[in-house]
Amino acid sequence: EVQLVESGGGLVQPGGSLRLSCAGSGFTFSNYWMSWVRQPPGKGLEWVANINQGGSEIYYVDSVRGRFSISRDNAKNSLYLQMNSLRGEDMAVYYCARDVLHGNFDYWGQGTLVTVSS
Amino acid sequence: EIVLTQSPGTLSLSPGERATLSCRTSQTIRNNYLAWYQQKPGQAPRRLIYTASSRATGIPDRFSGSGSGTDFTLTISRLEPEDFAVYYCQQYGSSKTFGQGTKVEI
Repeated sequence: EVQLVESGGGLVQPGGSLRLSCAGSGFTFSNYWMSWVRQPPGKGLEWVANINQGGSEIYYVDSVRGRFSISRDNAKNSLYLQMNSLRGEDMAVYYCARDVLHGNFDYWGQGTLVTVSS
Repeated sequence: EIVLTQSPGTLSLSPGERATLSCRTSQTIRNNYLAWYQQKPGQAPRRLIYTASSRATGIPDRFSGSGSGTDFTLTISRLEPEDFAVYYCQQYGSSKTFGQGTKVEI
C-alpha cells in the first residue's frame, strides 16, 4: 500500500524558517517525481514545487521561488521542503503527493499544518 | 499562468440526481492534461480522473470526465451520499494549476 506521511509543520513567526519532511513507503520512491501542494485554511489547492527522480530537475510556483527549496533523499525514501522567509500567505496545510503522468497526483499524504503568526 | 474557472461554485442536489461540473481554462490544455479530484472535510484530495477522461484506479464508473481544449466536464451520473464533497480540476499541460473548486452539497 502506497503511503506518504508528512511531518515538520507547526507555528512559526513571520520571517522564520521551517523544514517539512515526507516519508514514502509501499512503492519504489526513487522511480517517481514528487510534489508539494498546499491549501490555506478554507481555501483551494495550490501546487508549490516538484522534483524529478534524481533531484536534477526542480520547479517552483513563482510565489515561493527563492524562499523555498525542495529536495529528496532516495536512500531514506524521503522528500523535503525547506521554507525560509515565511509570510502570512504561506500559512496552509502542506501535502506531499506522488507526481505521475506528466503532472497529476495519484497519491497524497494526510498533510501537515504550517501556521505563520507572531 | 493558465487560469481554471470552475462552475458553479456550489451545486445543491439530492442523492440519485446527476451532477455536472464545469472547468474552463484560459488556454488550450496540451494533450488534455486535465485531472479531477474529490476532497472531503479534513481529508486529502483523491484523484478521480486524469487526462480529461481516464478514470483512476478504484473510482466508481458513475464518475466520468469529458472535454478538450478549454472546456472540461466532470459528471457524476447518480449521486451517492458519499459523493457530497468539494471537487477540483487541475491542469498539468503547462506547469500545474487548480481551479477554485465546486462544492456539491445535499
